Order: sequence, then C-alpha cells, then structure tokens
Amino acid sequence: AQTVTQSQPEMSVQEAETVTLSCTYDTSENNYYLFWYKQPPSRQMILVIRQEAYKQQNATENRFSVNFQKAAKSFSLKISDSQLGDTAMYFCAFMKGNRDDKIIFGKGTRLHILP
Amino acid sequence: DAGVIQSPRHEVTEMGQEVTLRCKPISGHDYLFWYRQTMMRGLELLIYFNNNVPIDDSGMPEDRFSAKMPNASFSTLKIQPSEPRDSAVYFCASSKIYEQFFGPGTRLTVL
Repeated sequence: AQTVTQSQPEMSVQEAETVTLSCTYDTSENNYYLFWYKQPPSRQMILVIRQEAYKQQNATENRFSVNFQKAAKSFSLKISDSQLGDTAMYFCAFMKGNRDDKIIFGKGTRLHILP
Repeated sequence: DAGVIQSPRHEVTEMGQEVTLRCKPISGHDYLFWYRQTMMRGLELLIYFNNNVPIDDSGMPEDRFSAKMPNASFSTLKIQPSEPRDSAVYFCASSKIYEQFFGPGTRLTVL
C-alpha cells in the first residue's frame, strides 16, 4: 500500500524567506503522480503543483518549486520569497498512474509566515 | 467555470436528524470524490464515483452514511441518523485528468 509521510507538523518562517517542506512516500509503482495542495484558513483546498513521476525535470509554478528525487522517494516543496498569504496547511499527495485509484494524502504541514 | 459547488456551506443539526450534503462537480469532469476532514483524523476519502458509478466506498464509516450520483452534475452525501462524532468539514472534489479540484466544503456540526 502507498503511504505519504510529512515529517514536519508545523513550521514558521519570516516573510520573504525561502522555506522547504518535506515529503516522502512509499510505493512499488513506477508510474504515478505527486501533488502539493494548500489549505489556507478559508479551508479551500488549492492545488499548488503537480509532478509526473516519468518526468525528470522538477515542476515549477512561480515561487513554488519541487525537488523530486524518485530513487529516494522524496518530494519536497520549496517556497521562495514567502508571503503572508502563503500561511496555510500544506498537503503532499500521491496517486498511481491508473486513474481508477484514489489520492493518498499526507497528514499535512502547518506553515506560518511571520511579518 | 464556477468550480466545484457545495451546499450548504454550514449546517448545524441535532443528533438523530438526517443531513444531506450536495455537490455539483465541474462540468466535463468524470470523477467525483467525497472527503471528510477532522483535526483528529485529517483528510479521509469516503467514496468516489466514475461516470456516476461508485468505484470505492470503503471509506464510508458506517451504514448511516450513503452517497448517490444520479447524474453527471449532481451528487449527495446523506447521514441518517446523524451523531455528534460526524461533526467535520465535508469536501467534494472532481477531476478530469489527474488533478482533483475541491469545493469550498460544508462545515457540519451535530449537537
């Protein structure tokens, strides 16, 4: 069975700093997808970034980028120039390449951006 | 597109009452998911549908919970009878390719 582990329950950084959120996963699959979702205080779940396992290039979306290490089964999220609006719970998630399967979510990391 | 629409946004009810949560997925999406989120248990998948057909309902906690998807644009999650431990935020999500798009959630409080 697939598992997703986020080892940092909570983090705080100063505004404008760079922060990295960790995520590891366990799978025997070769084809899969990884996601980072953000849940701000409004509780809306927002997709931040997606990575396909077959792609070697790390995904990037503006200030958000990932460090995907397939052999190590690691998928960390880097937020550059952090902003107050980045304060949220961040969930790492895994999905097998077969669409007929569910997304497995980690427990989340609560990130506080301090002014 | 308006995104995934859920109603009501907030529901307060008394123990024993029937509760019905509603979801309208994004047009063209063929998968629909129901999740429950609590502080203690985090985000749990309850059930999901593909082309209106339930694929996996192993996350439904007990027989008091039921879900239907009568057509591609509407789904309901029903709890009958409701209990205080059902208090949570219930999310609906839909997908077409791989990303799931979530609705704003329904905060349910059972007194």
